[in-house]
Amino acid sequence: GAGVSQSPSNKVTEKGKDVELRCDPISGHTALYWYRQSLGQGLEFLIYFQGNSAPDKSGLPSDRFSAERTGGSVSTLTIQRTQQEDSAVYLCASSSSANTIYFGEGSWLTVV
Amino acid sequence: KQEVTQIPAALSVPEGENLVLNCSFTDSAIYNLQWFRQDPGKGLTSLLLIQSSQREQTSGRLNASLDKSSGRSTLYIAASQPGDSATYLCAVRGSNYKLTFGKGTLLTVNP
Repeated sequence: GAGVSQSPSNKVTEKGKDVELRCDPISGHTALYWYRQSLGQGLEFLIYFQGNSAPDKSGLPSDRFSAERTGGSVSTLTIQRTQQEDSAVYLCASSSSANTIYFGEGSWLTVV
Repeated sequence: KQEVTQIPAALSVPEGENLVLNCSFTDSAIYNLQWFRQDPGKGLTSLLLIQSSQREQTSGRLNASLDKSSGRSTLYIAASQPGDSATYLCAVRGSNYKLTFGKGTLLTVNP
């Protein structure tokens, strides 16, 4: 597709379960970002990929969070042993070099 | 650590008014600045990108300015319409490619 694609768009999971969120960036975009937006809060940086490597993982909130990117394209954000405070919208974005950053529609995660 | 502040937090105007949204940042060593809009339940839509060497960018009824030395940017919306109602977010990119966001301005344009 033409834009950043994220799946699932909505996910309800039980506390303690693991979840995987997927991001398909715009074709050819080397940079990929994950952000988190909690209800009524600003956007919180999680991790940045350049190609397949992650030079900046400083935003991952705990060791329950991990992310990988393969083939310089698709990225997966994994949250292990989910907690209620993990409920948020997880937004993925991509860009080429220093240009405009494009966001996906987000994955809405609810932990019950 | 870069901090981005947006003022006002919320703004309500009648249709047709011209308005200005403000964004300030603490570290002037930025790569670029980008304005986004976010509709309820949606992702972010890019509006304008200003590189650090530029002073302003225009797109239709939108004009964004950048004063890097003073750490300020403004988004000017001319002849506002109800369809402009959304949250407007300012984000600055540093040399490490991290994008730091403000908390946004919630704009309501009343018919």
